[in-house]
Amino acid sequence: GIQVEQSPPDLILQEGANSTLRCNFSDSVNNLQWFHQNPWGQLINLFYIPSGTKQNGRLSATTVATERYSLLYISSSQTTDSGVYFCAVTETSGSRLTFGEGTQLTVNP
Amino acid sequence: EAQVTQNPRYLITVTGKKLTVTCSQNMNHEYMSWYRQDPGLGLRQIYYSMNVEVTDKGDVPEGYKVSRKEKRNFPLILESPSPNQTSLYFCASSSGSGSDNEQFFGPGTRLTVL
Repeated sequence: GIQVEQSPPDLILQEGANSTLRCNFSDSVNNLQWFHQNPWGQLINLFYIPSGTKQNGRLSATTVATERYSLLYISSSQTTDSGVYFCAVTETSGSRLTFGEGTQLTVNP
Repeated sequence: EAQVTQNPRYLITVTGKKLTVTCSQNMNHEYMSWYRQDPGLGLRQIYYSMNVEVTDKGDVPEGYKVSRKEKRNFPLILESPSPNQTSLYFCASSSGSGSDNEQFFGPGTRLTVL
């Protein structure tokens, strides 16, 4: 099956800093999503981005499907950004989301 | 509001006592699925359904059953729960086809089996 690798596994920032999270995947996909899992365990949809670039406030994402990677940018980080960020993909031949192992982000005040 | 709901949100039970976790979506989605999340193992798919009366096994189906009698509902059934089914469970749905198959997740159900 498809492999999804996220980096870095852990990231500690001071409030106000910017960061970039990376997601590499091993095969063609027809779906790529970024999620934020908050401290209560809820999975929050951030972006549905199988290709191209999207922005939502302080967050933006870019997927380069031909090179099999996606980037999530967080600018001016806030303590409420803390949590785990997951990248998940669906192979072109399937329907299941395959998740990466996540990036644990801690934003300190 | 478009959403996926799950009930209960938290459940503590004992080994062997049958339970059902309900899942409902109001987006008229055809595709629904169940995942479990465990430390060190990530999120893994249990079962999925492409449409009413159509279900199929995911990666970790042992010990679970599902049914899809209505489009909006996709309950997860544990006939005889065991401690290794202690986990965080998520239901998800999507349109399932075409160029827009973004999946939406429910709030999760924390299950503890003693």
